[in-house]
Amino acid sequence: GENVEQHPSTLSVQEGDSAVIKCTYSDSASNYFPWYKQELGKRPQLIIDIRSNVGEKKDQRIAVTLNKTAKHFSLHITETQPEDSAVYFCAASINTNAGKSTFGDGTTLTVKP
Amino acid sequence: EAQVTQNPRYLITVTGKKLTVTCSQNMNHEYMSWYRQDPGLGLRQIYYSMNVEVTDKGDVPEGYKVSRKEKRNFPLILESPSPNQTSLYFCASLGLQGPQKLFFGSGTQLSVL
Repeated sequence: GENVEQHPSTLSVQEGDSAVIKCTYSDSASNYFPWYKQELGKRPQLIIDIRSNVGEKKDQRIAVTLNKTAKHFSLHITETQPEDSAVYFCAASINTNAGKSTFGDGTTLTVKP
Repeated sequence: EAQVTQNPRYLITVTGKKLTVTCSQNMNHEYMSWYRQDPGLGLRQIYYSMNVEVTDKGDVPEGYKVSRKEKRNFPLILESPSPNQTSLYFCASLGLQGPQKLFFGSGTQLSVL
């Protein structure tokens, strides 16, 4: 089955700096890669996603890049703010079975004011 | 309002006492799933259902049962809970025709003593 590895497990940055979280996947059939943000005590919520026919996607301060050849994808957050502090999860799935997502172990991001 | 509703929010029980965690969605989603979240282990899928009367095992199904008699409901059943099932549980749903976005419930924190 699919295996998703996520790094780093914890990340601390100064407000205004950029943060990058990286994930690798094992199944070359995977073609949908969402990112979820989970604030303390809350449910995970989708923040951005990318499909395998796209190399990069951006939404304001958040961007995701995908390298299908290397089987890795990354989340980039620019101009970080304290409210970006949360646990971030990457996931991978095959579109025909999008519910069968495999999640990374999560990255705890702390943005220091 | 589109939502996934889980109950209860918190549950403390003893080993061997059967319990059910309910999950209901109002978005007419075909797909529903249960995850458990443990520190450092991310979100691991327990069971999922692609539609009524169709269920399948996820990555960690041992000790759990599910049923999907109605499209909106997907209860998680622990016939004989054990302490290693102490965890935070999330139900999620997804519409197979639209964007592949998982909607999560608010979570159930289960403690088995």
